[in-house]
Amino acid sequence: GESVGLHLPTLSVQEGDNSIINCAYSNSASDYFIWYKQESGKGPQFIIDIRSNMDKRQGQRVTVLLNKTVKHLSLQIAATQPGDSAVYFCAALRGWGKLQFGAGTQVVVTP
Amino acid sequence: DVKVTQSSRYLVKRTGEKVFLECVQDMDHENMFWYRQDPGLGLRLIYFSYDVKMKEKGDIPEGYSVSREKKERFSLILESASTNQTSMYLCASSFPDLRQGPSGANVLTFGAGSRLTVL
Repeated sequence: GESVGLHLPTLSVQEGDNSIINCAYSNSASDYFIWYKQESGKGPQFIIDIRSNMDKRQGQRVTVLLNKTVKHLSLQIAATQPGDSAVYFCAALRGWGKLQFGAGTQVVVTP
Repeated sequence: DVKVTQSSRYLVKRTGEKVFLECVQDMDHENMFWYRQDPGLGLRLIYFSYDVKMKEKGDIPEGYSVSREKKERFSLILESASTNQTSMYLCASSFPDLRQGPSGANVLTFGAGSRLTVL
């Protein structure tokens, strides 16, 4: 069946460094991907999305890269701040309005 | 801002009890979803609904049912709670096509979650 997986359950990053969170997906027909951030005690919140006709998309301090050849996407956070500590999920559109989520990566920002 | 409100943040129930989790959204979204979140497993889809009185099974519907009598309200029901249903439950809503509109305009919007413990 379809799957979306994150490569590392926990990522420890020093404040000010760049973070890279990786994600692999299995369904080559997926044409839309979203990254969510979930802070403690809250529901997941939208960070950035990318369509399959793009390789790269930039937001504020975040960049998503999509490699359709190897079915891989990544989220890069520039100059990581303490407020970036959270669980990050990638998700792939799998049908009308339905998303397939990865297991999540816990980002821990150290001083 | 879109608001998805889950009525209970924390619940403790006993095995065999019937449990109702309520979710209300205020943005006239057609789609509503119930996900379950467990460590290491991410978010798994239990049920979803495209319209009032319509429901579709997700990936893990066993032991759950849902009700959507009004467009803004989507309820998750555990007919007879079991300990393996101890989890975080997340409700979400959206317009039909997540890709439409400006970036992020139509993506799933989540509630804060309901943490259920079944003893």
